[in-house]
Amino acid sequence: DTEVTQTPKHLVMGMTNKKSLKCEQHMGHRAMYWYKQKAKKPPELMFVYSYEKLSINESVPSRFSPECPNSSLLNLHLHALQPEDSALYLCASSWIWTGRSYEQYFGPGTRLTVT
Amino acid sequence: GDSVTQMEGPVTLSEEAFLTINCTYTATGYPSLFWYVQYPGEGLQLLLKATKADDKGSNKGFEATYRKETTSFHLEKGSVQVSDSAVYFCALHLGGAQKLVFGQGTRLTINP
Repeated sequence: DTEVTQTPKHLVMGMTNKKSLKCEQHMGHRAMYWYKQKAKKPPELMFVYSYEKLSINESVPSRFSPECPNSSLLNLHLHALQPEDSALYLCASSWIWTGRSYEQYFGPGTRLTVT
Repeated sequence: GDSVTQMEGPVTLSEEAFLTINCTYTATGYPSLFWYVQYPGEGLQLLLKATKADDKGSNKGFEATYRKETTSFHLEKGSVQVSDSAVYFCALHLGGAQKLVFGQGTRLTINP
């Protein structure tokens, strides 16, 4: 099973709402990632978790709050977003690096619209 | 820093045409190289990969060869289909690093 699942597929939220995006994988990967993708652009890395610990935060505003409850799950909590945060949010996972490079497996994404 | 440069799109071809999408990279070490494809409204799918010089990755009729001497990883397909219409991303990953470095993407449209 090489599938990464994400819910919901679409989300519309107001600037005062609180919502969460969810990601799940059952490949035994110990690295999980959140990316943001704007139209006609490549994905931009937001956060990396390795062994359930946050290892990279790419200077993401605090209105985005990641959480990794266990090795299979990754959440992104959203609060007080701005319209410019509207984008496709992608989750990915991979084997952990030990001097080797491993491909990342991406989920289908959550299309977020902030009104 | 590490970077990936792809040919600018969009690229429009007729069905059964030969496809080449150019990709060159700059890296301080010896990266692994990937091609990802993104169909409309979907996430990224790994298309093929190569982990060392002279490796050839292949999948679904697509091929790319890791050329260290020219720092390139060009994507080719001998006969494209309408279903190949998508955005293609070249990317590199350095062992020990935690980031994929993406090119800007090339939008491909295949007309019947």
